[in-house]
Amino acid sequence: DAGVIQSPRHEVTEMGQEVTLRCKPISGHNSLFWYRQTMMRGLELLIYFNNNVPIDDSGMPEDRFSAKMPNASFSTLKIQPSEPRDSAVYFCASSPRQGKRWDQPQHFGDGTRLSIL
Amino acid sequence: SQKIEQNSEALNIQEGKTATLTCNYTNYSPAYLQWYRQDPGRGPVFLLLIRENEKEKRKERLKVTFDTTLKQSLFHITASQPADSATYLCALDWQGGKLIFGQGTELSVKP
Repeated sequence: DAGVIQSPRHEVTEMGQEVTLRCKPISGHNSLFWYRQTMMRGLELLIYFNNNVPIDDSGMPEDRFSAKMPNASFSTLKIQPSEPRDSAVYFCASSPRQGKRWDQPQHFGDGTRLSIL
Repeated sequence: SQKIEQNSEALNIQEGKTATLTCNYTNYSPAYLQWYRQDPGRGPVFLLLIRENEKEKRKERLKVTFDTTLKQSLFHITASQPADSATYLCALDWQGGKLIFGQGTELSVKP
């Protein structure tokens, strides 16, 4: 079975450029999460969706970051304009939600390593 | 605010020994706790989940305990192997569906 698919795996771009990260969750999973991982701050939740609707975006650092989930099989995280401090590994994860049960494992993609010069 | 602490120092053990990793938390009472494994260049992989009303959970060579009084979870790998070398992350639930992750503990198992 295909897991969570992220693209690109690596992205190097110059400061000020727009960056778009993509994620395809596992089919049938109705929750999707975007995380950022750095050495200093560890793994931080940026935003999560349930049934394609953004539930909590309190982790999004600032207005330069935006995320969309136009359908159940695709999500994007966009940074515009990008800055060097945005350099990190960005992970997408998905999980099933069964009724009111949130205690489901999250399945992570292998991330996008983003470097902003 | 809630805080999660894992062993900050890397853990080095000999093959065959039991590895014990610690996850402590403060200012919160999670309904459940999860453990993940992360290899370099890869995303975290789910290992075990334990709920607040469970004291212990086992899966093959893995064992997790959850002490809500001490606000601590212990993660054990028995008969450790070099292939167990990785970073292990604990994560607590937070406000319906969100997970808060610890910084992780790097485990190195030497042959």
